[in-house]
Amino acid sequence: EVQLVESGGGLVQPGGSLRLSCAASGFTFSTYALHWVRQAPGRGLEFVSAISNDGDTTHYANSVRGRFTISRDNSKNMLYLQMGSLRLEDMAMYYCARKFGNSAYDYWGQGTLVTVSS
Amino acid sequence: IQLTQSPSSLSASVGDRVTITCRASQGVNNYLAWYQHKPGKAPNLLIHRASTLQSGVPSRFSGSGSGTDFTLTISSLQPEDVATYYCQQLISYPLAFGGGTKVGIK
Repeated sequence: EVQLVESGGGLVQPGGSLRLSCAASGFTFSTYALHWVRQAPGRGLEFVSAISNDGDTTHYANSVRGRFTISRDNSKNMLYLQMGSLRLEDMAMYYCARKFGNSAYDYWGQGTLVTVSS
Repeated sequence: IQLTQSPSSLSASVGDRVTITCRASQGVNNYLAWYQHKPGKAPNLLIHRASTLQSGVPSRFSGSGSGTDFTLTISSLQPEDVATYYCQQLISYPLAFGGGTKVGIK
């Protein structure tokens, strides 16, 4: 059974940093691209970042480029999102998702909540 | 690429046919997916490649379209379909989502 389990969310002050993790199981981790998607309170889904299966290619939303870094450890089946210079508008539920081909996200985690507040 | 969904919300009776549209600011071929999202749960893939039903998804859900105009149809609305529905383009980064359509029951 495919599982994606996020962790690392919590309360952080504006300007602070946080590292999110996503533990994957039930599939051959190194063969899939993985993405982070977020949903701010009362808002819709928003693409945050993507990483290729081998980690060589990354993409970011304009809103987070230069502040967030996506990475993965294929030996540990782990996906990460290092978040820095956090802003109030980064407060959201963050989901990791598996991308299959160029078709869609076929599996999602349950999300981890990031709260940015002073 | 920007995606515009309409309507932003709707309310229909059980058994009604419901249609949601998604318009892309430029062509995305058929690289479009539809998701269902219920509060407190992970989004669920319904349709990929514009019209391919994801395994396990009820057949009352269907998708159509290509290029810039797409449609998600629920042929007979059920109480468990109350959710917000999103389209997403997967042809170029950033992989934008539509603004969502909140579906309720009258």
